[in-house]
Amino acid sequence: DAGVIQSPRHEVTEMGQEVTLRCKPISGHDYLFWYRQTMMRGLELLIYFNNNVPIDDSGMPEDRFSAKMPNASFSTLKIQPSEPRDSAVYFCASTLGQGYTDTQYFGPGTRLTVL
Amino acid sequence: AQSVTQPDIHITVSEGASLELRCNYSYGATPYLFWYVQSPGQGLQLLLKYFSGDTLVQGIKGFEAEFKRSQSSFNLRKPSVHWSDAAEYFCAVGPGGNAGKSTFGDGTTLTVKP
Repeated sequence: DAGVIQSPRHEVTEMGQEVTLRCKPISGHDYLFWYRQTMMRGLELLIYFNNNVPIDDSGMPEDRFSAKMPNASFSTLKIQPSEPRDSAVYFCASTLGQGYTDTQYFGPGTRLTVL
Repeated sequence: AQSVTQPDIHITVSEGASLELRCNYSYGATPYLFWYVQSPGQGLQLLLKYFSGDTLVQGIKGFEAEFKRSQSSFNLRKPSVHWSDAAEYFCAVGPGGNAGKSTFGDGTTLTVKP
């Protein structure tokens, strides 16, 4: 298996632009998580899906952030408009079965820089 | 509310020396505990996890962790550190089950001296 795939690996954009991050979970996994990692706040859970349905989006920082999972093999995290404080590494992870009782498999992350 | 504390932000050990990374948690019931490792430029990888049973858990890469309920701790250990173990280590706690969610500690960065 190729593992969790994220694209792009690096994104540099200007303030105010729309940014879309993409994630392909491991085939067969039914949970998908989006995390953000910064030096200041560490690793934060933004949102997670179960069977393509958003379960908990309480970690999404504000309305500028949105996430979708149109099918079991694809998810997007969109920031519109982007701001410099959104600069971070964004991770996608997936797992099978009981969600948090099972191992989360992380993608390599997308390093976002907003100028 | 659940929480995780990793008291050591940065630890330096010599190659071949033993290692212990500390993790303290706060949780109202029996926790589900995890240790993840993050190498530079990579995502997190699970080292080991504890749900129940034997309180000494063996993981990958020669790591082990011991759950001590009385101390609310889940410390990670390795008897002999290798240079390739240099990374950031995260402890996490979760309630388990479909409705739960994990809380991650702030991480401990391990530097290995030759």
